[in-house]
Amino acid sequence: DIQLTQSPSFLSASVGDRVTITCRASQGISNYLAWYQQKPGQAPKVLIYAASTLQSGVPSRFSGSGSGTEFTLTISSLQPEDFGNYYCQQLNSYPRFGGGTKVEI
Amino acid sequence: QVQLQESGPGLVKPSGTLSLTCAVSGGSISSSSWWNWVRQPPGKGLEWVGEIYHSGSTNYNPSLTSRVTVSVDKSINQFSLKLSSVTAADTAVYFCARKSYTSSVFDSWGQGTLVTVSS
Repeated sequence: DIQLTQSPSFLSASVGDRVTITCRASQGISNYLAWYQQKPGQAPKVLIYAASTLQSGVPSRFSGSGSGTEFTLTISSLQPEDFGNYYCQQLNSYPRFGGGTKVEI
Repeated sequence: QVQLQESGPGLVKPSGTLSLTCAVSGGSISSSSWWNWVRQPPGKGLEWVGEIYHSGSTNYNPSLTSRVTVSVDKSINQFSLKLSSVTAADTAVYFCARKSYTSSVFDSWGQGTLVTVSS
């Protein structure tokens, strides 16, 4: 059973900062990983799939990298609208989510 | 653009059965997509519940498989969730979502509906 561990669980940053969130898988999942953003009271929105492919319509300041067991989501220049919770999700086997990272501006 | 809308009772008694429906519009439920349920307890993270294909094939979260049934009604473009023997731990916002057949991500979501388990 594959577990996903996100870090940090909370981060506070300023507008314009470069922000990185890490997701570690308990076993290799190749590039079968996605990233979602969720704002309070809303459904999650997919940002990245296949570890590094930007979903259509998502701003280019979001990027993803990694393969195997370690993955990162990077926001190159944090914007006020980027607050919320971020989740990684493994796309191999059954869909499991990481525990989430709360981003506070 | 496909749209999804959950509906069902917001309150269920302990030991009862939670029943929700997801109406799909703007696209056919018989497309090459899997249709999913995801839940989120208040203040907590996301948990995948189960999925169904229009053929009726299903996959369930191993931790819930004994209590979960997902079904589809192609005639009215809807799919449904039943969760039996509920407890307070099943209190959550329940989302329905479409899994893309190309990327396997959940690319369309309903707004979510809060179901509270309480007497």
